[in-house]
Amino acid sequence: DAKTTQPNSMESNEEEPVHLPCNHSTISGTDYIHWYRQLPSQGPEYVIHGLTSNVNNRMASLAIAEDRKSSTLILHRATLRDAAVYYCILRDDNAGNMLTFGGGTRLMVKP
Amino acid sequence: ETGVTQSPTHLIKTRGQQVTLRCSSQSGHNTVSWYQQALGQGPQFIFQYYREEENGRGNFPPRFSGLQFPNYSSELNVNALELDDSALYLCASSLQTEAFFGQGTRLTVV
Repeated sequence: DAKTTQPNSMESNEEEPVHLPCNHSTISGTDYIHWYRQLPSQGPEYVIHGLTSNVNNRMASLAIAEDRKSSTLILHRATLRDAAVYYCILRDDNAGNMLTFGGGTRLMVKP
Repeated sequence: ETGVTQSPTHLIKTRGQQVTLRCSSQSGHNTVSWYQQALGQGPQFIFQYYREEENGRGNFPPRFSGLQFPNYSSELNVNALELDDSALYLCASSLQTEAFFGQGTRLTVV
């Protein structure tokens, strides 16, 4: 499975934008980039996914590099509720629903 | 609230015992996956069921087994429990792209 690399932790101030980076230099052409987050004491929660083009939804935006070797999850205005571990995952959507989680980035939001 | 419910929420077992964890998936979701999450680590894929058949398995020994029922609910069975099996066990159901996770069962093996 193609691997992802994320910083262990990041800090942000409340109501400021947050850019969470992910490197995936061995991504294959059929890999989608998925982001999940896990709030304390909860199961992971889907955030967003994309293949080549940038994506927006009500939770976040996903910016994908032109060569697809990296991507950035953007939270436009961080709230205290966004404090969580964010996982960047590559998934071949033709090969089932298995998700390979790495260590993720622990995001801390300061009031 | 994802619509995925797991039971029990917490469980303590003795080494060598057997345990069954249960998952009720979101209505209409025909795929269920199980994950093990050790403290401080990301979830690790155990296996997946699609329409009552196992169709993917991670690097877990055969003493980890499962079932999916016609209503798509699922069970995870672990035999001969070891201390290292202590973890949060997560169930996820899906229909297409997005996986919906339950809140997990915290298993402690003593």
